[in-house]
Formats: sequence, structure tokens, C-alpha cells
Amino acid sequence: DAGVIQSPRHEVTEMGQEVTLRCKPISGHDYLFWYRQTMMRGLELLIYFNNNVPIDDSGMPEDRFSAKMPNASFSTLKIQPSEPRDSAVYFCASSYGPGQRRNEQFFGPGTRLTVL
Amino acid sequence: GDSVTQMEGPVTLSEEAFLTINCTYTATGYPSLFWYVQYPGEGLQLLLKATKADDKGSNKGFEATYRKETTSFHLEKGSVQVSDSAVYFCALISGGGADGLTFGKGTHLIIQP
Repeated sequence: DAGVIQSPRHEVTEMGQEVTLRCKPISGHDYLFWYRQTMMRGLELLIYFNNNVPIDDSGMPEDRFSAKMPNASFSTLKIQPSEPRDSAVYFCASSYGPGQRRNEQFFGPGTRLTVL
Repeated sequence: GDSVTQMEGPVTLSEEAFLTINCTYTATGYPSLFWYVQYPGEGLQLLLKATKADDKGSNKGFEATYRKETTSFHLEKGSVQVSDSAVYFCALISGGGADGLTFGKGTHLIIQP
């Protein structure tokens, strides 16, 4: 299996621009998670989906952030408009299974976002 | 809310030294506990896990025991190698039903030959 795939790996943009991050989970996984990693705040859960339905978006920092999962093999995280404080590494993770198995999350390589 | 506290480092050791990275937690109910490792430029990889009190997780020579009485999950390895240099994250999933991971800040481990 190719693992969790994220694109782009690096994104540099200017303040005010729209940014879209993409994720392809491992085939067959029914949970998908978006995390953000910064030096100040560490790793934080932004939102997660189960069977393509958003379950908990309480970690999404502001209305400028939105996430979608139109099908089981694709999710996007959009920031509009972007601000310098959004600069971070964004990770996507997926998992599968009933009970404890779904707690084993597999992470993608991350997208390093820099907003100038 | 849930939280994880771990020593942030950097922790610098010589090859073949004994490693301990401390981790304590606060959580609702009976959480599952994890250690993840992040190598430079890569995503996080699950290193080991424990799902109930007194469970011991182990992998690649690393071990951690779920201690409910001290709310701890310390990571240990008897003899570290240069290839173990990475950032190590302690994490939990709450027993309260939430599915997302709560992470500690990470410990940067540097092993010198």
C-alpha cells in the first residue's frame, strides 16, 4: 500500500491567498484526521471524518478554515484567506476498524505551508 | 480537558546508552496510550501502544508500560543507536469516546556515535 498521500509537500503563498491541501487516505480506511504542527502549539487535531462525514471540527481555528471529504479516497483542507500565522506543517492521518484498531492512525508525510 | 506532558529536550546521549523519556497524562476515563516517532522530513510513525492499565507496549527494542496509578507511560530503551535519533511524541486517545489523538510537545533525541 502506498500509505497516506498528501499534496503538495511544500506550499509557499502570500497573505490573503487561498490555499488548498489535499489528502488521499489508505484504501479501506474509514477515519480521516487533519492535524497541524507548529513550534508554539505542537500537534493539534483540527477535524476528523468517519465514513466521509465530519464528526468533530472543534479544533478548526477559524471560519477561514474548511475541510471536505467528497468521497472515501479524497479530502481537502482549505484556508481562505491565508495569514502568516497559518504557517505550519499540516498532517493527514487515516485509520480503520472497530474498537481499538481504529486508534492506530497512519500519518502522511505532511504539507509544509509558509504564508508570507 | 485531556493533556500529555513530556520532557522536551533535546536529549543527547551516546550510542549504547540507556534511554528514558518521561510522559505523564491527564485524561477522561481510561485512555489508550501511544508513542509516535518522527524522523526528519517525514510523518509520524506509530512506535508502540498500550490500551489498558499495566499493559506493556514494545517495538524495535523500545518499551513503555501503562501505569494508571502514576498516570505515566515512560519510553525506555536499553541501548540506543544513532539511527534512533528522531523526535518522539507521547499521545493518548481519551476513553471518553473522542477519536483524535492528544499529543505531548515532543522530545528531540540526539544519539552521538
